[in-house]
Amino acid sequence: ILNVEQSPQSLHVQEGDSTNFTCSFPSSNFYALHWYRWETAKSPEALFVMTLNGDEKKKGRISATLNTKEGYSYLYIKGSQPEDSATYLCAFSGGGADGLTFGKGTHLIIQP
Amino acid sequence: DTGVSQNPRHKITKRGQNVTFRCDPISEHNRLYWYRQTLGQGPEFLTYFQNEAQLEKSRLLSDRFSAERPKGSFSTLEIQRTEQGDSAMYLCASRGLNYGYTFGSGTRLTVV
Repeated sequence: ILNVEQSPQSLHVQEGDSTNFTCSFPSSNFYALHWYRWETAKSPEALFVMTLNGDEKKKGRISATLNTKEGYSYLYIKGSQPEDSATYLCAFSGGGADGLTFGKGTHLIIQP
Repeated sequence: DTGVSQNPRHKITKRGQNVTFRCDPISEHNRLYWYRQTLGQGPEFLTYFQNEAQLEKSRLLSDRFSAERPKGSFSTLEIQRTEQGDSAMYLCASRGLNYGYTFGSGTRLTVV
């Protein structure tokens, strides 16, 4: 059974502050690590797909890093805005199976 | 093509009834996935198609669940004799040749 853990489970952040959260995943049979943002009543939106150890990706104020040797990824949000409020999911692909294994998500609330 | 489309968006059914959901993937994507998300959990893999062939099924997919993708385009997921524990968000995703998965907005099932 593949175990993908995300922390924290929920997070309240003041508007303008920066924040980060963690995803840990199996370090063996790694293929790719995915980050999604999921807002209520919408479809999960792909943020990043990372495949190589040491990968760093950036999209506007959001960035992510990947360490496949120790099995973790960080997602950073700089200067949080109310529209960043969402659930952030990470998902692992690998282990010889197709499909994604998701963590439970980090529920982020940005307070004005 | 505007992405992955799922119908209906919401379904309320009485326990014991059968329900069917539909997913229309991105047309050039040959892989299609079904996931289920219950409260407090991340999406969990149910089944996967490559073209019309169902290649993988999770142990979560009991014999009351059946999925088809008859012509390698849209897919249906049927649940027979629904139970309250089937209440969840059912997500469909499709994928082409790259790493990225594109999700639909899901069908929220409530069994009363």
